Amino acid sequence: AQSVTQPDIHITVSEGASLELRCNYSYGATPYLFWYVQSPGQGLQLLLKYFSGDTLVQGIKGFEAEFKRSQSSFNLRKPSVHWSDAAEYFCAVGPMEYGNKLVFGAGTILRVKS
Amino acid sequence: DVKVTQSSRYLVKRTGEKVFLECVQDMDHENMFWYRQDPGLGLRLIYFSYDVKMKEKGDIPEGYSVSREKKERFSLILESASTNQTSMYLCASRGAPPYTFGSGTRLTVV
Repeated sequence: AQSVTQPDIHITVSEGASLELRCNYSYGATPYLFWYVQSPGQGLQLLLKYFSGDTLVQGIKGFEAEFKRSQSSFNLRKPSVHWSDAAEYFCAVGPMEYGNKLVFGAGTILRVKS
Repeated sequence: DVKVTQSSRYLVKRTGEKVFLECVQDMDHENMFWYRQDPGLGLRLIYFSYDVKMKEKGDIPEGYSVSREKKERFSLILESASTNQTSMYLCASRGAPPYTFGSGTRLTVV
């Protein structure tokens, strides 16, 4: 069965520091991979997605993620964190077939200290 | 941009009540989903729908049902609300990847 693991429940970084959020997945075929962000009291907003091709994908708000098939990972990175990045981040995986459901990780809460 | 609207941001209901959570999307998408979000558990799929009058159970369907009479509207029904259904409920729509989410309904059952 497909699953997503986000090993870090909470992460705290200083403003201006670099960030890496980890995501490992278990999936039997080539997956779609996503990162979403959720600000307090809001729905989920898509940061970036990977379907195929270049394994380094760029997203909104200066985020990027790298797909590593050999490690079954899709880690999210940002070179310099801003206070407004404080939120909860979710990694998700889904099959390539149109219409099928996504499976989400448990989320990582990012705190930014000034 | 696709818009997914959940009619209520906050709801407080009593144990045993029948509760309707409504979700409307404006892009003629065939696929719609209801997720439940709890701290430390992420999002868990309750039900999804491929098309009008088509529905399938997700991972945690117990205590819930759904209705999709029109393509744009997907309703989640709690037949007899219980305190363990206190949670954030998120609706999503998918025409082509990726999903678009509504802002969520925070339901408290007392």
